[in-house]
Amino acid sequence: GQQLNQSPQSMFIQEGEDVSMNCTSSSIFNTWLWYKQDPGEGPVLLIALYKAGELTSNGRLTAQFGITRKDSFLNISASIPSDVGIYFCAGRANFGNEKLTFGTGTRLTIIP
Amino acid sequence: NAGVMQNPRHLVRRRGQEARLRCSPVKGHSHVYWYRQLPEEGLKFMVYLQKENIIDESGMPKERFSAEFPKEGPSILRIQQVVRGDSAAYFCASSPSRQSNTEAFFGQGTRLTVV
Repeated sequence: GQQLNQSPQSMFIQEGEDVSMNCTSSSIFNTWLWYKQDPGEGPVLLIALYKAGELTSNGRLTAQFGITRKDSFLNISASIPSDVGIYFCAGRANFGNEKLTFGTGTRLTIIP
Repeated sequence: NAGVMQNPRHLVRRRGQEARLRCSPVKGHSHVYWYRQLPEEGLKFMVYLQKENIIDESGMPKERFSAEFPKEGPSILRIQQVVRGDSAAYFCASSPSRQSNTEAFFGQGTRLTVV
C-alpha cells in the first residue's frame, strides 16, 4: 500500500527558531495536507495543497507541493510555545473527498 | 456551529466485550470517515461512508469490525469481541460532499482501552 515517510521524527528547538519538516512518498498524490495534533485531540488542518509546485502560506506556516507529486515540506518560522505538538502530512491519491494516507508524524518540542 | 462530535471520549472494555463508538458529523455533512491511530503512529484509514452506504471499507479488518451511517442518527463503529490489540484512538471525520472543496473536519476521537 501507499506509504508516507515523514522526517524528522522529532525536533527539539528553541523558541524563535525556524522549523522545517518534509514528507516523501513512493507513489503520486494529487493532494497534500498538513495537520497538527495536540495531546488528546484530533488533527487540525493547517494547510492544503492541490497543485504540483504550489507554495501556500498560512501565517508563519509555509508548505509546498513537490513538482514530482511525491513530496511536500512544511516550514514554521519564528516558533512560539503553542507550536508544540505533532505535525502530520497526509496525501490523497484521488481528487474528491477520498481517504487520506497519513505520515508517521514529526513531534515538535520547544526548549525553554 | 458544532464540529464533529464523538462519544464517548474514553471507553474501557474487557476482552471479549463489544465496543460501540459514535460519531455525529457536522450538521449538513453527508460523508463520514473513520481512522484508527495507534500510540506514536499516524492515522490509518478504516472506512468511508455516505448516508446508508459504505463507499470504501478497504481499511477495515475483515472480522469483528463494522460501521454504519444510517439515514437518521450518528455513524457507529462497532467492534465485537474486543482484543488488546484494538486499544487505540479512533477518529471520525466528516465532509459536506464529494464535489466540495472543503476538507474533512476531525472529531476529538474516542480512546479505547481493552483490559
